[in-house]
Amino acid sequence: KAGVTQTPRYLIKTRGQQVTLSCSPISGHRSVSWYQQTPGQGLQFLFEYFSETQRNKGNFPGRFSGRQFSNSRSEMNVSTLELGDSALYLCASNPQESYNEQFFGPGTRLTVL
Amino acid sequence: AQRVTQPEKLLSVFKGAPVELKCNYSYSGSPELFWYVQYSRQRLQLLLRHISRESIKGFTADLNKGETSFHLKKPFAQEEDSAMYYCAPPGQGNLIFGKGTKLSVKP
Repeated sequence: KAGVTQTPRYLIKTRGQQVTLSCSPISGHRSVSWYQQTPGQGLQFLFEYFSETQRNKGNFPGRFSGRQFSNSRSEMNVSTLELGDSALYLCASNPQESYNEQFFGPGTRLTVL
Repeated sequence: AQRVTQPEKLLSVFKGAPVELKCNYSYSGSPELFWYVQYSRQRLQLLLRHISRESIKGFTADLNKGETSFHLKKPFAQEEDSAMYYCAPPGQGNLIFGKGTKLSVKP
């Protein structure tokens, strides 16, 4: 099976803009989670989607949002970008309803200037 | 709230030396803990989970409920073990990652 894919791999934006990141999970996986990785804060959970519904959410402002499509592909959106949003955004997929091993994508490196 | 602490940001050892990466957790339920590893320029991947009690790449981890610890150990470190290691108990549909420990194995 192909692994989790994320597009784009690199992105440069300026403050105030918005951005959309995409994630395609492993075929058959219905759960998709998003994480933000920064040197200072490490890996922080953003949200998780299962069968097109947001099932869990981390402590991020409302500027961060996401959605999942019927084919399990997911997108996350960040509006009104701030310098502090510069990070590696990781997507992970999980095959089962309940928690299990998560399979991570390569990430999207977002730089906000 | 579930929390995990990895007290060492950086651990540097020589090749062949034993290594122990510490992880302490607070968890309200029956913990199922994982260690994830991120090698340079590679994606984050599962190293091992406590429930399987297996050894991967020579690494083992024992869950100590009394001390609420899940330390990762390897008796003889190799240079290819150099990577970021994250301890992770599950949260609500997600993983709660520690800040990670960077392991550097010197020749």
